[in-house]
Amino acid sequence: SAVISQKPSRDICQRGTSLTIQCQVDSQVTMMFWYRQQPGQSLTLIATANQGSEATYESGFVIDKFPISRPNLTFSTLTVSNMSPEDSSIYLCSALQAQRNTEAFFGQGTRLTVV
Amino acid sequence: KNQVEQSPQSLIILEGKNCTLQCNYTVSPFSNLRWYKQDTGRGPVSLTIMTFSENTKSNGRYTATLDADTKQSSLHITASQLSDSASYICVVSPNAGNNRKLIWGLGTSLAVNP
Repeated sequence: SAVISQKPSRDICQRGTSLTIQCQVDSQVTMMFWYRQQPGQSLTLIATANQGSEATYESGFVIDKFPISRPNLTFSTLTVSNMSPEDSSIYLCSALQAQRNTEAFFGQGTRLTVV
Repeated sequence: KNQVEQSPQSLIILEGKNCTLQCNYTVSPFSNLRWYKQDTGRGPVSLTIMTFSENTKSNGRYTATLDADTKQSSLHITASQLSDSASYICVVSPNAGNNRKLIWGLGTSLAVNP
């Protein structure tokens, strides 16, 4: 099984600033994703992180607000830009292989509070 | 529209008791169905993955069932323990080639009391 390290685990940020979250996988994976989980809610997919190219964003999420990098098969970053209190949430990195029926692994999440 | 619905929304049981969580989905085409356990403040952890042809799969005290005809799944927890207190999320993967976007339910919040 893959182990995903995500950091920081939590942060408190001032509105208007940006935070970059890092995700490191201990083995090569085909696909990496970024999710947001707001309080009391299930996971919402932000985007699929594509190696060496622009991420694929879901409806309601844009690159200017959530720029994503994936320079190689084991590492990705998500930046939450120009933060507002509405961005307070848990952000989760996930990875899996493209083959069918493979398990999706998750990092422990980054709990972000914007004040 | 692809959707996953779970019931109950929350559940409280006494330690040692059994419980069953339900999941109904309207995802098509279908690749597999997963149950995840998410402890508070942690990322989800996979419990089971079931394909179209599988009716039941166990992982310790967790047993998942799948009826692909009625598009229903259940997760049965036997002899519950305090550590079972968590959110249990049903997730369906559509059969869409290399697209592995998952359809997430809202989860059932389980509290196991002593």
